[in-house]
Amino acid sequence: GENVEQHPSTLSVQEGDSAVIKCTYSDSASNYFPWYKQELGKRPQLIIDIRSNVGEKKDQRIAVTLNKTAKHFSLHITETQPEDSAVYFCAASMGGGTSYGKLTFGQGTILTVHP
Amino acid sequence: SAVISQKPSRDICQRGTSLTIQCQVDSQVTMMFWYRQQPGQSLTLIATANQGSEATYESGFVIDKFPISRPNLTFSTLTVSNMSPEDSSIYLCSASTGSYNEQFFGPGTRLTVL
Repeated sequence: GENVEQHPSTLSVQEGDSAVIKCTYSDSASNYFPWYKQELGKRPQLIIDIRSNVGEKKDQRIAVTLNKTAKHFSLHITETQPEDSAVYFCAASMGGGTSYGKLTFGQGTILTVHP
Repeated sequence: SAVISQKPSRDICQRGTSLTIQCQVDSQVTMMFWYRQQPGQSLTLIATANQGSEATYESGFVIDKFPISRPNLTFSTLTVSNMSPEDSSIYLCSASTGSYNEQFFGPGTRLTVL
């Protein structure tokens, strides 16, 4: 089955700096890669996703890049703010067949943004 | 995005008992899933709740321990049976809508087994 590795496990930045979180996946059939933000005691919240037919997607201060050949994808947060502090999870899934919609998650990254 | 609710939000149970968690979506969805998130850990898929048929379980999870129902396109239940302290965790349901597989989560049920 799919295996997703996520690094780093913790990331501490100063407000205004950029943050980058990286994930690798094992199954070349995976074609959908979402990122979730989870604040303490809250549900995971989908913040951005990318499909295998594109290499990059951007939404205001966050962007995701995908390298299908190398099987890795990354989350980039620019101009970080204290409210960006949370646990971030990457995930991968295959869009069809018996694995339709199933998400395999990375281990998570605790991001702390210091004012 | 779909609005997903879960009941109960939390519970404290005695070992050997069972708890049924309900998940309600405000619109019809293609897929519903159940995940477990142990304290400080990532999310692990328990099973896919299939409408009108038996759930599809992931390795390490069995129907006798985690029976799942999905009677229609907006509702599902997960039962945690014969509980032990190792079952203490947060249980989350999720729903996937449309052809792009975006998956949204319920608020979770925090279960403590004594």
